[in-house]
This record gives sequence, C-alpha cells and structure tokens, in this order.
Amino acid sequence: NAGVMQNPRHLVRRRGQEARLRCSPMKGHSHVYWYRQLPEEGLKFMVYLQKENIIDESGMPKERFSAEFPKEGPSILRIQQVVRGDSAAYFCATARDVYNEQFFGPGTRLTVL
Amino acid sequence: AQTVTQSQPEMSVQEAETVTLSCTYDTSESDYYLFWYKQPPSRQMILVIRQEAYKQQNATENRFSVNFQKAAKSFSLKISDSQLGDAAMYFCAYRILNAGNNRKLIWGLGTSLAVNP
Repeated sequence: NAGVMQNPRHLVRRRGQEARLRCSPMKGHSHVYWYRQLPEEGLKFMVYLQKENIIDESGMPKERFSAEFPKEGPSILRIQQVVRGDSAAYFCATARDVYNEQFFGPGTRLTVL
Repeated sequence: AQTVTQSQPEMSVQEAETVTLSCTYDTSESDYYLFWYKQPPSRQMILVIRQEAYKQQNATENRFSVNFQKAAKSFSLKISDSQLGDAAMYFCAYRILNAGNNRKLIWGLGTSLAVNP
C-alpha cells in the first residue's frame, strides 16, 4: 500500500537545462496537485490535474513550466530552461476525488546551479 | 484575497510542556476545511489535524487539539506534553469546498517549533 511517490528526491540542474519531476499517485487516486515551496516560505499552489486534463493551472508561471498527467504513468512537472529562482522543493499531493483529503509525496528538491 | 497568516515565525517549548501556535485566515467562503501540517527536517508534509468549518466542536488528535473560532477566523494548534519529535515546521492551511472543481490548499508561511529537552 505505497503512498505518493515522487522522483527524483533531489535534482541538480545547471541554468538553461530542463528539469522533469515525477509524481506517482496512490492507488485509486486520479487527482494530482503540484505545489512549490520556496526557501523559508509556505507552499504555493501551481497546478491541478485529473487524468489527461489540466483543471486549474492558475498558479503556474506563464512560461517554461508545464504539467501533464497521462492516462498511463505518473504526472510530470516539466521546467524548461531552468533559472536559479526555480530552486525550490516541489511537492505533489494526490486525492481520490475532489472531496477527499490530499496525500503528499516526499517532495523533489530542485537545485539550479 | 484568500490568505493565511501565521504570526509566529519561531516558537520554543520545554519538553512535556504545552505550546500554542497561532493561525488566522481570510476567506469569504462559508464552507471550508482547515488543516495543520507538520514538516520535519525530512521535508515530508504530514497531516497533524483537520477541522471542518461547519463543525463547532474543536478537533482533537491525541496530544494535538485546535481552538477554532470561526467568527474571528482563527485556528490555533495546541500541542500538549511536547516531545522532542514534535520539533518541526508547522503550517496552517485551508481548503475551500465550493471553489468549482479545484480544492487547492492555501498555506501560511509556517512556524518553526523547537522542543528543548
């Protein structure tokens, strides 16, 4: 009965490279939320997805960031041409449906050199 | 604006003593959930306790309890008999029930709790 899984746990990228963060929901969960935690701050909502659909991406930066949750496989948060300001912890949370509790993964810590 | 304010960036408590962490929030909605999450050095986000806004009774979970004052939009966390393992960042958050299909969490900036032996 695995919980929410995220990989990698730590990711180091140089400026200009791409970062791909993966989130595997708990069994039976089809709703995925991505949050970003900048140093010394709380979490900020980025995007909410259901299988194959982006429901709300109002928290995503307009450029360089994208997210997907395909029919098969994990949800992926993709950051193109990373900059130092992208350094943060990225958490995904998954839920069975809109009414149920969100369960958090361990996060991916992205460091941009 | 939907905001959560945690006015205490840092707190400390002696082991076995009681500590209260403050949280206020601002929302125009009437139906929502309130949460306290714990984030230890491992960075894993752990749910401590939650409260449904429509319930008047304060939630309790073992040594953790809340003081929910809906009119004042206040949601404080009380930790009784503090243990060394309680040392962590504590985040207050709320989730609106009626925001279309998005139940995103709105977060405070956190309170860092130190437990002194």
